[in-house]
Parts: sequence; C-alpha cells; structure tokens
Amino acid sequence: GAVVSQHPSWVICKSGTSVKIECRSLDFQATTMFWYRQFPKQSLMLMATSNEGSKATYEQGVEKDKFLINHASLTLSTLTVTSAHPEDSSFYICSAPGTSRVSYEQYFGPGTRLTVT
Amino acid sequence: KNEVEQSPQNLTAQEGEFITINCSYSVGISALHWLQQHPGGGIVSLFMLSSGKKKHGRLIATINIQEKHSSLHITASHPRDSAVYICAAPYSGGGADGLTFGKGTHLIIQP
Repeated sequence: GAVVSQHPSWVICKSGTSVKIECRSLDFQATTMFWYRQFPKQSLMLMATSNEGSKATYEQGVEKDKFLINHASLTLSTLTVTSAHPEDSSFYICSAPGTSRVSYEQYFGPGTRLTVT
Repeated sequence: KNEVEQSPQNLTAQEGEFITINCSYSVGISALHWLQQHPGGGIVSLFMLSSGKKKHGRLIATINIQEKHSSLHITASHPRDSAVYICAAPYSGGGADGLTFGKGTHLIIQP
C-alpha cells in the first residue's frame, strides 16, 4: 500500500526558533497533501491544503505567515513553524490522497510531535 | 464545513464484548473514514467506505448515506483493541478534500 513518511518524528525547540517538518509520499505522487494539528485531548484539525506548484490553502484561523507550507515536488511537502511559541506545541500529521479518483483513500504520515520550550 | 459527531466519547468494556461506535455527519459525502489512533499518536486507516458495509477481521463498518450515519463494530473485543477510534469525513463532502474529524472514542478493553 501507499506509504507516507514524516520527519522528524519528534522535535524539541526553543521559543522563537523555526522548525521544519517534512512529509513525503514514498511510492506514489501526491499533487495535494493535507496538514493537520492535534492538541492534547483534542481531535485532529485541518490546518491547510498543500498544492504542488501553487500556494497552499489555509483554513480559517491558521496564520499563513506563521505556518509556511512549500510543496516543492510531487512527493514532498514541508511545513515550517516560524518563530515557534509554546502554544504551537502539538502533534502535526500530514496525509495524502491516493491516486485513484474513485477510491478517495487517504494515507497518513506517522506524525511529528513538536514541543516548544 | 462538515460537522462530525461521534459517540460514545469513552467506552470501557470487558474482553469478548461486542463494541459499537457511532458517527454522524452533516454534509453529504463521497466517503467516510474510520481511523485508529494509538497512544503514540500514529494514525492507522481502518476503513474508507461510501456505501453499505465493509469487514476486516473482527472489525465491521457500516454506512447509511441517506441518514448520514456510520457505525464501527468490533466483535470478540480484545485488550489490544484498546485505542482511540476516530471517524472522519471530507471537509466539504468531496473526495479530494481534507478531512474533518470526530472527537474520537477512547476505547478500553479490560481482560
């Protein structure tokens, strides 16, 4: 089956620094990838849709200047948390839809746990 | 935006019991997803269904498109089934959308 990887799996950074999270589709091409965030004890929330070759689409309430998304190739999307603050500490997970237009499968990465101190 | 409601939020059962988790959504959809999340956070996709019923091992998922309702059943439950089960629907109903998630059902199966 299709595999999506994320790197790093966890990261601890100091407040004010920037952190980049990578999401890769390993054995298929993904023109679209989705970025989600999950705070402790809460459900996953869609942050943005990453589109290869064009600007990402951000959900309401998500600051596009703080969460920079770059979908540079058909297999890689990156999320950069700029000037991170403790309230950005969260579990970030990406997904990519399958290539079949019929099945609507979504393949999830393993997630990245970000802790900002 | 699709609104997804799940019940119950917490469920504790004895090993061997038949488990049912319910999910309802507000916007007509192309497909509904059932996911499993373990304490480490990783997400496993269990089912993606657009009509009828699917079965995988002891897990069964059903969906009623007209009523905008889906159920996940676990037969002969086992402690290793303990996890958070989440249903998710396309954000605006379309197949190429990102997903909106229910709050999850925290299932504990006691030996």
